[in-house]
Amino acid sequence: VQLQESGPGLVWPSETLSLTCTVSGGSVTTYHWTWIRQPPGKGLEWIGSIYYGGTTQYNPSLKSRLIISMDTSKNQFSLQLESVTAADTAVYFCAGDKFTTAWSFYWGQGTLVTVSS
Amino acid sequence: IVLTQSPGTLSLSPGERATLSCRASQNIRSNFFSWYQQKPGQAPRLLIYAASSRAVGIPDRFSGSGSGTDFTLTVSRLEPEDFAVYYCQYFGTSSPPNTFGQGTKLEIK
Repeated sequence: VQLQESGPGLVWPSETLSLTCTVSGGSVTTYHWTWIRQPPGKGLEWIGSIYYGGTTQYNPSLKSRLIISMDTSKNQFSLQLESVTAADTAVYFCAGDKFTTAWSFYWGQGTLVTVSS
Repeated sequence: IVLTQSPGTLSLSPGERATLSCRASQNIRSNFFSWYQQKPGQAPRLLIYAASSRAVGIPDRFSGSGSGTDFTLTVSRLEPEDFAVYYCQYFGTSSPPNTFGQGTKLEIK
């Protein structure tokens, strides 16, 4: 299974950050998926997960601004984060595992998203 | 749940043994505890899941142990490629349900 993030590298403050993770080598409906981010020079932060059945689980600190969804026709899952600020600048990783959202065996390479005007 | 890793930085030489610690702010279920390795510019790599099970493709010099609040990642004999940042992770029923430690940097002495 291989994962590839895609989306704009620059987002204006107060706008919506949208990223897509394309899954190859497996079906998006048979794995559990997670988004994780890492601000420059800092540690990892769990954003949220979507189970293969479509149930979602979000970090409470982001929940009011966050939507994670799955598009089975494109074999993709996505992240939308509204009303972004500079604090949302980070490398965003998509990740997944066959059995659980507790950890992730499969990872995308990550994509840097900068929030700036 | 807060995961606190120690030390912040560990300076060792190739061939030496590395012991990294992760302490939880309260008792946690080892079934949902994991360790990752991250090298600069790369995504994290899953090393250990369920506290002590090695992920596919991970050399047996990496081992995990622990229960309750104290967990350890041991690298029995350091190879040059092992110098990286290591993170612990826990998934539970608290808020947020998924959390990482702040990381331990393993650097060449």
